[in-house]
Amino acid sequence: NFMLTQPHSVSQSPGKTVTISCTRSSGSIGSNYVHWYRQRPGSAPAAVIYDDDRRPSGVPDRFSGSIDTPSNSASLTISGLKTEDEADYFCQSYDDTNRAIFGAGTKLTVL
Amino acid sequence: EVQLMESGGGLVQPGGSLRLSCVASGFSFSRNIMYWVRQGPGKGLVGVARINSDGSNKVYADSVKGRFAVSRDNAKDTLYLQMDSLTAEDTAVYFCARGLVSNYLDPWGQGTLVTVSS
Repeated sequence: NFMLTQPHSVSQSPGKTVTISCTRSSGSIGSNYVHWYRQRPGSAPAAVIYDDDRRPSGVPDRFSGSIDTPSNSASLTISGLKTEDEADYFCQSYDDTNRAIFGAGTKLTVL
Repeated sequence: EVQLMESGGGLVQPGGSLRLSCVASGFSFSRNIMYWVRQGPGKGLVGVARINSDGSNKVYADSVKGRFAVSRDNAKDTLYLQMDSLTAEDTAVYFCARGLVSNYLDPWGQGTLVTVSS
């Protein structure tokens, strides 16, 4: 089975832009959709991007997703950072049996 | 409002068993795929089990295969996770989530804590 690798942590200042990567270890990143979840401390995860680049209702357009085939990775980009964006972010895809595969998560600090 | 509510967590001794429940409301439960996902203390998310809408297809993480069993009662809008032969490594918050097209999970329940300790 494949793995999804994310940076352990990233930090950026309010108002700036940050990008979190999610690299697939084997197989093509384009083979299965990638979804992104935000998890605040003590709360359940909630989607911020699904199907590579689509935003759920209620998620601001400061959040965007993309796929890069040459690097076999997906990215979550958050622009106009706000302190409320500080959270853990997880990418997720699925294998050929539809088991959910998650990245280990990236802690975003907005300082 | 679409909601999921887990229950059944608690403290259990190594080797013991526990059954988690997840009650759904606000959507047609019987037409949706459902997942169990767990998160160990200070750790990331792990997909534990997936069950299709009529319960005829189930898949498990390798770490729980043969010990955990997912099931559902569509008449009661309820998802279950039977956990046997529990070890300390199963200590985690267990979330249930609805699986949409392309295995996108939304929404998630608030989670129920399972602690395996003597």
